[in-house]
Amino acid sequence: GQQVMQIPQYQHVQEGEDFTTYCNSSTTLSNIQWYKQRPGGHPVFLIQLVKSGEVKKQKRLTFQFGEAKKNSSLHITATQTTDVGTYFCAKGIGGTSYGKLTFGQGTILTVHP
Amino acid sequence: DGGITQSPKYLFRKEGQNVTLSCEQNLNHDAMYWYRQDPGQGLRLIYYSQIVNDFQKGDIAEGYSVSREKKESFPLTVTSAQKNPTAFYLCASSADRGQNTEAFFGQGTRLTVV
Repeated sequence: GQQVMQIPQYQHVQEGEDFTTYCNSSTTLSNIQWYKQRPGGHPVFLIQLVKSGEVKKQKRLTFQFGEAKKNSSLHITATQTTDVGTYFCAKGIGGTSYGKLTFGQGTILTVHP
Repeated sequence: DGGITQSPKYLFRKEGQNVTLSCEQNLNHDAMYWYRQDPGQGLRLIYYSQIVNDFQKGDIAEGYSVSREKKESFPLTVTSAQKNPTAFYLCASSADRGQNTEAFFGQGTRLTVV
């Protein structure tokens, strides 16, 4: 099926360093969603981006949607140990498959205190 | 307290046995989904349902079956035809038919074949 490629697969940072994960698609996206999954937990919705060039912030998290709507990024400023987990992007598929999401492979973030 | 509930949290199955994973939601969501997650991998869609008495195959439906007799419930049966059933299974639901809205996930069921 249609894929979203997410990089990097793993990221190890020292507490206080910044972190960025990228999500890329070969086709234009109608929207992109981001989820966080804590170790041993389940994915939790963070945000949805819909508009070309959109930038949204949630405290230390900044989400961007590319101008061509083919890529997106999640940036965390000054990471904390509570940021540990796997971050997934997910693309929605409109039309008759409304609500169906295709997830990227995820980026596993570890933060060393 | 509204939410989506999966049971059991851990499940052990002998080879050759079918097993059914439960998923219930009280969010009044139309759409429900089953995903499979393997270590170090993303979520792969098994089946989804947009309305009662209707469901569609996802990317990895072989060896699985579902039913949607009630809006609140979307059980998944892992059959003996599924060659590698050991995995973490996640059920999710979402509200809006016309747009992609956020998916709410259950706590997951970790299935192990022994």
